[in-house]
Amino acid sequence: DVKVTQSSRYLVKRTGEKVFLECVQDMDHENMFWYRQDPGLGLRLIYFSYDVKMKEKGDIPEGYSVSREKKERFSLILESASTNQTSMYLCASSLMELGAFTHNEQFFGPGTRLTVL
Amino acid sequence: GQQLNQSPQSMFIQEGEDVSMNCTSSSIFNTWLWYKQDPGEGPVLLIALYKAGELTSNGRLTAQFGITRKDSFLNISASIPSDVGIYFCAGQNRDDKIIFGKGTRLHILP
Repeated sequence: DVKVTQSSRYLVKRTGEKVFLECVQDMDHENMFWYRQDPGLGLRLIYFSYDVKMKEKGDIPEGYSVSREKKERFSLILESASTNQTSMYLCASSLMELGAFTHNEQFFGPGTRLTVL
Repeated sequence: GQQLNQSPQSMFIQEGEDVSMNCTSSSIFNTWLWYKQDPGEGPVLLIALYKAGELTSNGRLTAQFGITRKDSFLNISASIPSDVGIYFCAGQNRDDKIIFGKGTRLHILP
């Protein structure tokens, strides 16, 4: 079974703090993703990575950065947390398959519920 | 950008009833995925569909990949209390990007 773990289930930070959210997957997946989930807005992609040291902006990258130094680990960084970054953060991973019939199902971690005061 | 329209947004049903929800789009997808998210947890993959017309079951769950490749539905038969949660559809487009629907929140009345 694919296992995706996130460093914290619940986190409370103050405005202006630097926040690190860690994600680790144990299935040697190439792709890793960070989403935030808010009521009524569904899942929104923040950043993703197809390889070590590689990163691509998703749909809402503003206010976030990421780091992928090792294949199994993908970190989301809030340089200066703001109250509008209070949300549920979900990490996911998937295999990289190339070709016409790619099966890139994403497997999710349990989520980190971040509150910024 | 591409969007998936998932409906209904929420459902209130009696225990034992069957449930049906669907996702539609104006765009074609190569893969359809259905996830369930329990309260306070991450989404868990239920069913993956890879071919137009494909009908796949997982226990009491059945999902179909629409013939036009622009839609998919999920049925749950004989609902039980643990079916409560949010169900998401997701489609993989030709660029291999996964697009998520906004979810259907299922409530079950005793």
